[in-house]
Amino acid sequence: NAGVTQTPKFRILKIGQSMTLQCTQDMNHNYMYWYRQDPGMGLKLIYYSVGAGITDKGEVPNGYNVSRSTTEDFPLRLELAAPSQTSVYFCASSYRDSKNTEAFFGQGTRLTVV
Amino acid sequence: EDQVTQSPEALRLQEGESSSLNCSYTVSGLRGLFWYRQDPGKGPEFLFTLYSAGEEKEKERLKATLTKKESFLHITAPKPEDSATYLCAVHFSGFQKLVFGTGTRLLVSP
Repeated sequence: NAGVTQTPKFRILKIGQSMTLQCTQDMNHNYMYWYRQDPGMGLKLIYYSVGAGITDKGEVPNGYNVSRSTTEDFPLRLELAAPSQTSVYFCASSYRDSKNTEAFFGQGTRLTVV
Repeated sequence: EDQVTQSPEALRLQEGESSSLNCSYTVSGLRGLFWYRQDPGKGPEFLFTLYSAGEEKEKERLKATLTKKESFLHITAPKPEDSATYLCAVHFSGFQKLVFGTGTRLLVSP
């Protein structure tokens, strides 16, 4: 039972480069999320999706893009990387019906932009 | 603005020394409060969900409680393996997102 899988675990990017952070879940969850975690700042929501084909912005979406073509996958795209995007990125998923349920998190991607 | 505040930022305990962590929130319609544990270099791991004031949940040495304005995570007779950062998150009515606190770093010394 893999849960939420993120790749890569670590990455160093140069300023201006682009990359895609991959996220896959095998729990048939309808909701998926991308968060970033900076020291002392807590988890901030970048983008989320309520189902395949539907995405929406969170608190800090600038500089990022997402897509959700399948239930399982929710990649996060960084265009023109900037040092401010140095962070640890977490993907999460949850199942929602009439009641909110807990989100399950991946192990994270540590990104450094130099 | 809806906010989630955790205290203390850091807590150092001796093994066996019980204590409590606090999560206070200002909301316009609480839909659920979640406690997570996060170990260094790992993603948050789900512990508890609380939905209404008065609700309590227990798991081993941990017990979570909820009032109308705050939640407590009580740690009874902690062990060194309980050392981690404990995160609180709140789901507000009308919002699709979880709002996280900044966490409490717990260190339990043998």
